[in-house]
Amino acid sequence: EPEVTQTPSHQVTQMGQEVILRCVPISNHLYFYWYRQILGQKVEFLVSFYNNEISEKSEIFDDQFSVERPDGSNFTLKIRSTKLEDSAMYFCASNGKGQFTGELFFGEGSRLTVL
Amino acid sequence: AQSVTQLGSHVSVSEGALVLLRCNYSSSVPPYLFWYVQYPNQGLQLLLKYTTGATLVKGINGFEAEFKKSETSFHLTKPSAHMSDAAEYFCAVYRTGGAQKLVFGQGTRLTINP
Repeated sequence: EPEVTQTPSHQVTQMGQEVILRCVPISNHLYFYWYRQILGQKVEFLVSFYNNEISEKSEIFDDQFSVERPDGSNFTLKIRSTKLEDSAMYFCASNGKGQFTGELFFGEGSRLTVL
Repeated sequence: AQSVTQLGSHVSVSEGALVLLRCNYSSSVPPYLFWYVQYPNQGLQLLLKYTTGATLVKGINGFEAEFKKSETSFHLTKPSAHMSDAAEYFCAVYRTGGAQKLVFGQGTRLTINP
């Protein structure tokens, strides 16, 4: 069964460092997402990406964040200068070979720890 | 904007007892509603969904949920809890015709007592 894969599973970084989280969405899906979950809190929407551009972003997704789909398979989230409060589990998700159906397929997450 | 409220951040039941996890939504148009489950150290897995049609939907592992428009609710139930049901459960809403994303509730951690 096709699945969304994420790397790394866990990354520890120093405050101020750049981090890139990688995702391989399900092949032929058209909508891509990053969500995050701070420990013990809800799953929060960060950004959605469709047709090679950001379709929506939350207020969390400020200038320190960027997303890219550098080739036909990878979807990356970059945090330029990490802060302590960026420590969270980051989930990539994808949806839809055609019309958006609402159902998202999630990866297992990348845990980011900022020291 | 759509939103989801899950009543109770932590629910504890005995093995074999009824599981009831509550979810209320807010949406100005007919929503699609979802329950996701997150087992420890894993990603989110779809449990069940309501889009249109029958308001009682069945999912994996014996769970079901009923869409009640009059109550704006989508509560998740399972007649008999199993130890393996211990996990975090998230209700989510997609507002049809709106922004193409899911909005999640804050989650309910389900603990099963032997």
